[in-house]
Amino acid sequence: SQQGEEDPQALSIQEGENATMNCSYKTSINNLQWYRQNSGRGLVHLILIRSNEREKHSGRLRVTLDTSKKSSSLLITASRAADTASYFCATVSGGSNYKLTFGKGTLLTVNP
Amino acid sequence: EPEVTQTPSHQVTQMGQEVILRCVPISNHLYFYWYRQILGQKVEFLVSFYNNEISEKSEIFDDQFSVERPDGSNFTLKIRSTKLEDSAMYFCASYFDRTSGGANTGELFFGEGSRLTVL
Repeated sequence: SQQGEEDPQALSIQEGENATMNCSYKTSINNLQWYRQNSGRGLVHLILIRSNEREKHSGRLRVTLDTSKKSSSLLITASRAADTASYFCATVSGGSNYKLTFGKGTLLTVNP
Repeated sequence: EPEVTQTPSHQVTQMGQEVILRCVPISNHLYFYWYRQILGQKVEFLVSFYNNEISEKSEIFDDQFSVERPDGSNFTLKIRSTKLEDSAMYFCASYFDRTSGGANTGELFFGEGSRLTVL
């Protein structure tokens, strides 16, 4: 799999349900970030988790990181129709240049 | 809240024409980036720019591409001779507020993108 590869590719749920998206990566990382993209719009940063952290919360978002498995998950609780968007994980690896490497994304559809 | 702005929002051009996409990063940021996203695909890194020079570029960023920061506020991406496969959404991003006193969170701030259609 490629650096920052999400699954599932598409997820459809009902409003009020929880949505879980997973991300796997191949190389060691400095941090991992999740971004959201509404259709045809820019990327909005949701949450960042550092390589020495295992779990982080922000509002209805919960991110976990397992560096031994090189994987992360994003949980959105009590989903709303407005959460419908594509969600991308992006990794930052070590080195002198700070850059994000994105995965292919998960398209989340929350049905009202 | 400060934001990254990009112009134009949409540009249609003929194959072989030159295109310049413009970005105004967040002031006081030090790192600047261009990414592109072909419709329905992943967001791909093109180039990063720091201290008035390219710090890293991807294989996509060939001799047809160039970047400039001509006046301390704008950050431009030029495609000299566009190809059909250059059709994509191009995103500018900036990072690291040098005045933040160490409060940078590590996130990149992205613009809304410039959609380029090459006919």
